[in-house]
Amino acid sequence: AQRVTQPEKLLSVFKGAPVELKCNYSYSGSPELFWYVQYSRQRLQLLLRHISRESIKGFTADLNKGETSFHLKKPFAQEEDSAMYYCALSGEGAQKLVFGQGTRLTINP
Amino acid sequence: DTGVSQDPRHKITKRGQNVTFRCDPISEHNRLYWYRQTLGQGPEFLTYFQNEAQLEKSRLLSDRFSAERPKGSFSTLEIQRTEQGDSAMYLCASTVWGTQTQYFGPGTRLTVL
Repeated sequence: AQRVTQPEKLLSVFKGAPVELKCNYSYSGSPELFWYVQYSRQRLQLLLRHISRESIKGFTADLNKGETSFHLKKPFAQEEDSAMYYCALSGEGAQKLVFGQGTRLTINP
Repeated sequence: DTGVSQDPRHKITKRGQNVTFRCDPISEHNRLYWYRQTLGQGPEFLTYFQNEAQLEKSRLLSDRFSAERPKGSFSTLEIQRTEQGDSAMYLCASTVWGTQTQYFGPGTRLTVL
């Protein structure tokens, strides 16, 4: 079965502090992992995907197959990072996305 | 092209009524997905199309739900005899087969009274 777990529903950090949003997954094959973000009053949009190994808006995420994790990190949080973040997994075939419950990140000034 | 669009954005209906939602994907995107999102949860997959063919349906999609994509362009999702448990945000996404990035619409928020 495919499953994505985001253990923190809420995360609050101060501006300039490091941020780490946790994501663990369960999948028997070779998944592709994503982070999607939803800013206030905006639609869900892709933040980054593990296969591209790039940094978007200062965020990075490394796929750890041994720990089945795909944590999202940013060294210095900014107020505009406040949003809802969803980790998602896509398997072979239909390539449908399986989402975690989401983490609401709040950056305090 | 302004991205995936959905209509209506909000729908309030009474229990037992039928509702239909529309999704217009990004031009030339041959895959179209429907998801449902309830409060406090991430989106859950309902069904997807490749061109006009509906290739997979989730067990979440009861017999009261039907989706079509008649010409391989826009899609409709119909819910018959709505129940209060159908209240949710219904999201549509599209992509090109072979790529993994799904582009989401703004969603249709359904409230069943």
